[in-house]
Amino acid sequence: DAGVIQSPRHEVTEMGQEVTLRCKPISGHDYLFWYRQTMMRGLELLIYFNNNVPIDDSGMPEDRFSAKMPNASFSTLKIQPSEPRDSAVYFCASSLGTTYNEQFFGPGTRLTVL
Amino acid sequence: GENVEQHPSTLSVQEGDSAVIKCTYSDSASNYFPWYKQELGKRPQLIIDIRSNVGEKKDQRIAVTLNKTAKHFSLHITETQPEDSAVYFCAASRSPRNNNDMRFGAGTRLTVKP
Repeated sequence: DAGVIQSPRHEVTEMGQEVTLRCKPISGHDYLFWYRQTMMRGLELLIYFNNNVPIDDSGMPEDRFSAKMPNASFSTLKIQPSEPRDSAVYFCASSLGTTYNEQFFGPGTRLTVL
Repeated sequence: GENVEQHPSTLSVQEGDSAVIKCTYSDSASNYFPWYKQELGKRPQLIIDIRSNVGEKKDQRIAVTLNKTAKHFSLHITETQPEDSAVYFCAASRSPRNNNDMRFGAGTRLTVKP
């Protein structure tokens, strides 16, 4: 298995533009998490899904952020409109909820909003 | 919800010395405590974890201890090497079988000087 796959790895955009981050979890994993990492706030859980259903989105900072998981192998995190303070590394992670809960992280997407 | 505090935020040691990172948590129902290592520019990866039914766990040069009464747990690295330099995150969650309430500490940047 290739592990958790994220795309793009780097994204530079201008304020006000829509940004879509993508994630492919490890096959068979039933939990998927989106995290944001910044120097100031560390690693923050934004939202997580179980069996494609959003369970807890209390970490989503604002209505500008939305996440979907249309099927077991794909999830998106969208920011519309983007702002400079959204600049961060966004990680996707997946885990198998029926066994030990190691979260496997993707390589992350480094987002820069100018 | 769970609140995890981690200290110190930065730690510098000489190669060969030991390093200790400490975390406290607030939710007495938490019973799963993983530690993640994040090397510069890379994703967080699980290095060791401990469950509430044990007080200590070792894996080569790494050990974790847990004091449930005091609600704190620690990571110990002995005989540190330059490749141990990274940011280390502790985390806590209630259930060893799902991650929906896992919260991460702010991280400790460990530097091992050769």
